[in-house]
Amino acid sequence: GQNIDQPTEMTATEGAIVQINCTYQTSGFNGLFWYQQHAGEAPTFLSYNVLDGLEEKGRFSSFLSRSKGYSYLLLKELQMKDSASYLCAVMDSNYQLIWGAGTKLIIKP
Amino acid sequence: GAVVSQHPSWVICKSGTSVKIECRSLDFQATTMFWYRQFPKQSLMLMATSNEGSKATYEQGVEKDKFLINHASLTLSTLTVTSAHPEDSSFYICSAHRGLADTDTQYFGPGTRLTVL
Repeated sequence: GQNIDQPTEMTATEGAIVQINCTYQTSGFNGLFWYQQHAGEAPTFLSYNVLDGLEEKGRFSSFLSRSKGYSYLLLKELQMKDSASYLCAVMDSNYQLIWGAGTKLIIKP
Repeated sequence: GAVVSQHPSWVICKSGTSVKIECRSLDFQATTMFWYRQFPKQSLMLMATSNEGSKATYEQGVEKDKFLINHASLTLSTLTVTSAHPEDSSFYICSAHRGLADTDTQYFGPGTRLTVL
């Protein structure tokens, strides 16, 4: 079956760095997405990886290894506003999105 | 975990026809369901919020007469794209809200790819 795994919850300190991992097993691969979702709001797009390697975008970076079925989202210089859920989603060979359950990130002062 | 399904996964239709997409929460009751549209490699765009037994709330810029939403039961919401045109071709995703608080989890469906010829 198809499966996306990511930790349920993580806690980090303001100003620090946190890495949220995502592992996947899907039938085919057409890209991996990371979304940020604040409570009660729609998700917002953070990154899209389809090739192996690191994509950097400001304080946020996303890494992909297709051979390992693994991705991570790296958040640097954490701010209180980064407290949110982070969703990993993989597009399979049928261009369907397989969603992870999301990682709730708690930032402490 | 909670499961949300969408049907159909793919649909190709001629311009001018109407297409209905179903969103079902399979193992929980969802008082609120959301409909999104996704542009390639970009963010999900919220189209409307669907509450069971009441009219949907549409986001600014979304035509309610074109995108008809019905939330007939606690496990089913439907989106009908009326008189579809090629510019309506997109990836439509629903999500179901589990729980009563805004902080409770949304579970996303796999999406429906609509191609209008």
